[in-house]
Amino acid sequence: DQQVKQNSPSLSVQEGRISILNCDYTNSMFDYFLWYKKYPAEGPTFLISISSIKDKNEDGRFTVFLNKSAKHLSLHIVPSQPGDSAVYFCAASANAGGTSYGKLTFGQGTILTVHP
Amino acid sequence: DADVTQTPRNRITKTGKRIMLECSQTKGHDRMYWYRQDPGLGLRLIYYSFDVKDINKGEISDGYSVSRQAQAKFSLSLESAIPNQTALYFCATSDSDITGELFFGEGSRLTVL
Repeated sequence: DQQVKQNSPSLSVQEGRISILNCDYTNSMFDYFLWYKKYPAEGPTFLISISSIKDKNEDGRFTVFLNKSAKHLSLHIVPSQPGDSAVYFCAASANAGGTSYGKLTFGQGTILTVHP
Repeated sequence: DADVTQTPRNRITKTGKRIMLECSQTKGHDRMYWYRQDPGLGLRLIYYSFDVKDINKGEISDGYSVSRQAQAKFSLSLESAIPNQTALYFCATSDSDITGELFFGEGSRLTVL
């Protein structure tokens, strides 16, 4: 039972355009969501996060949107750059009681390719 | 030097062999984790430890064991490796004051023949 799903295995975008990566979840107990980026032969690195009390969080070119009613989040990258080409994982945690930090449930990942 | 170091980076072994993957960190974090990545499945939590005396099973702990030798060291063992344990393994750490953000090592690729 995949509680966090990234239904697009890959996405190809032209440099300068917007990249939109999508993620759906089924567990209503999830209250914190994160995006990680992974380059080949490296570990995932944290990109941006959002708490369920917000519907948007922005950090430079990266914005994460959360739609709790639809159990859907998305990562927008504007403008996209060739260096953004990587695998992007969304992840979620249920932090009630404060004991679940780091116990993340990950999606399958989306391979983003940004063409020059 | 990497803050979270995993050894070995690559290992090929045979069915039935005992394998240990080691992780050490210099971030000073209390919490350490072992995740496994498989194509099409993302990363799944194997074991986690919130301090030296605290070890917990994750989503897929069967066939694995762990040891937290010190705050900075957390090792993962496969007592009798099987082919479906072929995967990319990641160690991660987190600061208990920061919600959910994990710092990952570079990964250990294990192939079980």
